[in-house]
Parts: sequence; structure tokens; C-alpha cells
Amino acid sequence: DVKVTQSSRYLVKRTGEKVFLECVQDMDHENMFWYRQDPGLGLRLIYFSYDVKMKEKGDIPEGYSVSREKKERFSLILESASTNQTSMYLCATLFGGTYTEAFFGQGTRLTVV
Amino acid sequence: AQKITQTQPGMFVQEKEAVTLDCTYDTSDPSYGLFWYKQPSSGEMIFLIYQGSYDQQNATEGRYSLNFQKARKSANLVISASQLGDSAMYFCAMREGANTDKLIFGTGTRLQVFP
Repeated sequence: DVKVTQSSRYLVKRTGEKVFLECVQDMDHENMFWYRQDPGLGLRLIYFSYDVKMKEKGDIPEGYSVSREKKERFSLILESASTNQTSMYLCATLFGGTYTEAFFGQGTRLTVV
Repeated sequence: AQKITQTQPGMFVQEKEAVTLDCTYDTSDPSYGLFWYKQPSSGEMIFLIYQGSYDQQNATEGRYSLNFQKARKSANLVISASQLGDSAMYFCAMREGANTDKLIFGTGTRLQVFP
């Protein structure tokens, strides 16, 4: 079974802090994604990566950046956390060969105070 | 522009009845895939079913079937014989992109199954 692990289940940070959310997969999936989930808004794509060091902006990239130095790890960075970034963050992977299932991490509930 | 549209914020269905959750999508890419995910109150994302744009038959997985109408750009999820455990959020998603795979989701439908 593919395993997608997010570094924290719950996180509380202060406004202005630099925040790192880590996602690690144990399969050889090319594609990795970061979403935020808010009530009524569904899952909104922040950034995605289709290969090492390759990244593309999603629909709501403002205030975020990403890093993918190794295939198995995809990091989401909040450069200067703000209260409107309080949300549930979900990481997902998708195998580029068959595309038939995306695998998700358990989510990180981030609260910015 | 919203590329995945789920117009039903909430749905109710009686146990053992069938229910259809609507999803429409918009893409100009001839190669794409459509997914449905279930998210119970525990928060995990559970994969239900997948339909590729070139698949000739509608996908089925147990009690789940995907009513794929390509010309209408709709990919509705049909759950037959609803169970209390089906109560959850349901998300429709689309993978698109010729060279890079972008995976985007709709806003979801909350399904409540009552006895």
C-alpha cells in the first residue's frame, strides 16, 4: 500500500512565523500536490509538482511556496504565516503511469494565532 | 473559472435507497480522468471510483457507479442501496494536463443517510 505521511497532525503557529509542512511518500510517484480544505470551499490546489525540482502553481499559491529536492518529499512553506492561512492542509500523490487513484496524507490542521 | 462543479451542497437519502451526486467538469484536454472521493467525519480521503476520458464503459465499484456523459461533461456518482455509513462528504475531482498532471477538486456534497 502507498503511504503518504504528513509531518504533523496539528500545528499552532504565530502570525509572521515561517512554517514548513512536510509530506513524504513511500512509493515512486511523480506527482505530488498540496491542498487546503475549508468548509464550503472544498479542496483548493495550492501547488503541485510533477518531478524533482519541478513545480507549478495551483489555484491559490499566494503566500505559499514549495520545495521538492527529492522525489519522495514535497514541502509546503508559509513564508510569513497569517491568520487567514488557518486551515486543514492535505498532501496527495498520483502515479503518473496509470493515474487511476490519488493517495492522501492524514492532513495537518494548522492554526495561526 | 470553476472547472469542477458540484451544485448540491447537501443531500438526504433514506437507507436502502439509491442516490445520485452531481458533478460537471470543464476541460479542453482530450485526455483526463475523473475521480470520486469520500471523506467521513474522521477526515481521511477514501478513493471510491475512477473514470478515464477514453473509457467506453461507465466505471463501477461495488455499490458505486459513475454515470459518465462525455458530451454533457458530467460524471455523476450513483450510490445504490445507501447505508448509514455512507453519510460523509463526497468530492468529485479531475486530473488533466498533457505534460503535467493537475488534480483539482469540487466543493463537495454532504450526504446524510437516514434510517
